[in-house]
Amino acid sequence: GENVEQHPSTLSVQEGDSAVIKCTYSDSASNYFPWYKQELGKGPQLIIDIRSNVGEKKDQRIAVTLNKTAKHFSLHITETQPEDSAVYFCAASKGDSNYQLIWGAGTKLIIKP
Amino acid sequence: DARVTQTPRHKVTEMGQEVTMRCQPILGHNTVFWYRQTMMQGLELLAYFRNRAPLDDSGMPKDRFSAEMPDATLATLKIQPSEPRDSAVYFCASGLPVSSTEAFFGQGTRLTVV
Repeated sequence: GENVEQHPSTLSVQEGDSAVIKCTYSDSASNYFPWYKQELGKGPQLIIDIRSNVGEKKDQRIAVTLNKTAKHFSLHITETQPEDSAVYFCAASKGDSNYQLIWGAGTKLIIKP
Repeated sequence: DARVTQTPRHKVTEMGQEVTMRCQPILGHNTVFWYRQTMMQGLELLAYFRNRAPLDDSGMPKDRFSAEMPDATLATLKIQPSEPRDSAVYFCASGLPVSSTEAFFGQGTRLTVV
């Protein structure tokens, strides 16, 4: 079946450095790729998303890139800050569904002061 | 400050007991999701409602789980009878599929079945 692989499972970076989290998906019909951030004790929160007709999207310190040919997409966080510490989930739509997502297993991002 | 509200936040119950989790979606949102999160399985979609109608509950064990939306301001997820393997964090999320595919999550109900 369809799946999304996410790497690494844990990422520790020095405050101020950049962090990159990578995901690969298997469903070639997927056309929507959101990234969610989950802080301890809270529900996931959408931080950025990208659709298949776009190769890159940026929002301040956060950017997402998509390579449809290779079926992978990445989250880039620049100038990391302590408040970026959280678990990050990537997801891919199941086909062109507008509600059914296939989720990655999550990356625990640790920002070292 | 619009947010999805879930109650209770924590629930400890004995195996075999009925558990009811409640969710108040963001006012005006017409889609509701129920997710289950565990360390082993990650985030799993249990049910999806649009305009209060269940469109997809294929991820939900039918023999013991049921999800309903009695009205636009309340969604419920029931487990009867509960089992230890149901221990997880259950999230409700709401959204507006026409304008956005974003799902707004509540803070979750942490369920422990002993």
